[in-house]
Amino acid sequence: QVQLVESGGGVVQPGGSLRLSCAASGFTFSTYGMHWVRQAPGKGLEWVAYIRYDGTKENYADSEKGRFTISRDNSKNTLYLQMNSLRTKDTAVYYCAKRAAGYDSSGYFYYYHYMDVWGKGTTVTVSS
Amino acid sequence: QSALTQPRSVSGSPGQSVTISCSGASSDFGGYNYVSWYQQHPGKAPKLMIYDVTKRPSGVPDRFSGSKSGNTASLTISGLQAEDEADYHCCSYAGSYTWVFGGGTKVTVL
Repeated sequence: QVQLVESGGGVVQPGGSLRLSCAASGFTFSTYGMHWVRQAPGKGLEWVAYIRYDGTKENYADSEKGRFTISRDNSKNTLYLQMNSLRTKDTAVYYCAKRAAGYDSSGYFYYYHYMDVWGKGTTVTVSS
Repeated sequence: QSALTQPRSVSGSPGQSVTISCSGASSDFGGYNYVSWYQQHPGKAPKLMIYDVTKRPSGVPDRFSGSKSGNTASLTISGLQAEDEADYHCCSYAGSYTWVFGGGTKVTVL
């Protein structure tokens, strides 16, 4: 079945770096755009970053631009999030999520604007 | 990118209806009708409930419905059931490969 499994979370000091991974299975990973979404303790979801299916286009929430880098290795069915200059406010559960896509009534492969599959998340704690 | 605004909590008795609002600036919605809603039980991953403002994925009960008027989207749960007690998050595509979530709403079944 379609599955996303995040890893790489842990405890890191402010100013440190961490790389998260998301292993995908059960679907053709190279066909789908992917997101990172995070949730600070007791807070709502926050969109972090998106990367196109082929890795040629990415974008970030304003607060993460310049510090985080999203990337993917389609040969390994894996999504990454490199996080640098970490701050205490980056403490959160980080989820990877798959962008929904499918064939519309005209037979065109269409990329929808929502996330249809989520991983269970990996916890990042930034603390001294 | 500012978060969409949702009420922190709503509540209702079993069988009643509750509506959760999700409002923002026109730029937050990007001029699109690409609002989605996610249900999240404690300690669990989010689950898609509504997409493209009004559409329900297969398997989602028809007591969940979505709408949008101007810069406010809404999720209505009709015939509230105990298992509907959860957090609900709205999300909108904001253009140029960016998305924005609301702050989340806790639904309590009394």
